[in-house]
Amino acid sequence: GAVVSQHPSRVICKSGTSVKIECRSLDFQATTMFWYRQFPKQSLMLMATSNEGSKATYEQGVEKDKFLINHASLTLSTLTVTSAHPEDSSFYICSAPNSPYEQYFGPGTRLTVT
Amino acid sequence: QKEVEQNSGPLSVPEGAIASLNCTYSDRGSQSFFWYRQYSGKSPELIMSIYSNGDKEDGRFTAQLNKASQYVSLLIRDSQPSDSATYLCAVPSGGYQKVTFGIGTKLQVIP
Repeated sequence: GAVVSQHPSRVICKSGTSVKIECRSLDFQATTMFWYRQFPKQSLMLMATSNEGSKATYEQGVEKDKFLINHASLTLSTLTVTSAHPEDSSFYICSAPNSPYEQYFGPGTRLTVT
Repeated sequence: QKEVEQNSGPLSVPEGAIASLNCTYSDRGSQSFFWYRQYSGKSPELIMSIYSNGDKEDGRFTAQLNKASQYVSLLIRDSQPSDSATYLCAVPSGGYQKVTFGIGTKLQVIP
C-alpha cells in the first residue's frame, strides 16, 4: 500500500518560535498533498492544498503567512508554523492521494506550544 | 446542507454484533466514496473505497452505496472491541484530488 511519513511525530516549542513539519510519500509520487489540523475530540479540518511546483491553496480562514507550505519535490511537502502560539497546539496531519481521491495519511505531528 | 453528513454518535454495539454506520452526501455527481477509520490519537487510515451501486465486501467490512438516495454505509460484522474507533466518510469535492470528510461516527464495541 501507499506509505506516507511525517516528521517529527511530536514537537514542543516555545511561544514565538517556528516549527517545520515534513510530509513524505515513500513509495509513490504526489503532485498534490493536503494538510489538516485536528483539535481534541473534533473533526479533521483541511488547512491547505500543497501543490508541487506552485503555490499552496489555503482554505478560508487559514492564514497563509502563518502556515507556510512548500512542496519541494514530488515526494516532499513541508508545513512551517511561524511565530507559534499556544492556540496553535494541535494534531497536524498530511495526506497524499495515490489513486484518484484515495487519501493516504501520515501518522501526524502533535504540536505543543508552551 | 453540508456536503457529507454523519451522525457523530457514539454508536454502541455489543461484541459480535453488526455495526451499521451511515453517511449521506449532497453532490449527486459524486462517483467515489471512501471510509476511513481513526483510532483515538492516531491519523485516519483508508479501509474501504466504493464506486458502484451495491455492496462491496472486504473481510468483515461491507460498504453499501445507493447513488439514487445519495447514501453510503459501512457494515462491520462480528464487531470486536478493536473496532472501537471513529469512522469517517469521505467524498470528492471541488478541487484536484480533494475530498470532503464527514465529522465521523464514533463506534464503541462493548465486550
